[in-house]
Amino acid sequence: QSALTQPPSASGSPGQSVTISCTGTSSDVGTYDYVSWYQQHPGKVPKPMIYEVNKRPSGVPDRFSGSKSGNTASLTVSGLQAEDEADYYCSSYAGSNNFVFGTGTKVTVL
Amino acid sequence: QVQLQESGPGLVKPSETLSLMCSVSGYSISSGYFWGWIRQAPGKGLEWIGSIYRSGNTYYKSSLKSRVTISVDTSKNQFSLKLSSVTAADTAVYYCARVDSQSFLDYWGQGTLVTVSS
Repeated sequence: QSALTQPPSASGSPGQSVTISCTGTSSDVGTYDYVSWYQQHPGKVPKPMIYEVNKRPSGVPDRFSGSKSGNTASLTVSGLQAEDEADYYCSSYAGSNNFVFGTGTKVTVL
Repeated sequence: QVQLQESGPGLVKPSETLSLMCSVSGYSISSGYFWGWIRQAPGKGLEWIGSIYRSGNTYYKSSLKSRVTISVDTSKNQFSLKLSSVTAADTAVYYCARVDSQSFLDYWGQGTLVTVSS
């Protein structure tokens, strides 16, 4: 149950797009279409943004999209806005009712 | 609206047992879903601790399994976390959450900071 690997940081200017990767193994991301993404502002509770690879919970803007290829999942934020500046974490089901989080990525809006 | 609220001591001494409760409102635990505990050490990432189903079946992170106990009380609509033999490394904000779709944490509590210190 090693943590999924995310880049420590990513950045983009307002209006641009930023993509965050989340690399796991064939035991988690590569096998299951149960990848989720969470947004966390400093001192706040993580907010669910994506589930089952590419589904958005009610209320999440369609600027947020998810995808997966092999052992790597990705979150793309299009049309970056100042309020998108936050930490983002992926997670994946890992079988037997276990799951694992990513290492986290700090997104900076330049 | 589903709401979760953690409660418990904010300070625990080293080698003692950390005990937290999660009270759920707006949804009956006995109706389904898994319910989980997650923690976040200061300045660090999220870490899944374990989950429990209404039946009492539990699933723990392997590295914590020897020290963790999660239980559920459906009559009170609560579930709890016990972590034994704590050290400073267990200092973290502890969150409870509802688990949907295998691993999607769709509702979270506000989190409670537990500090391990003498």
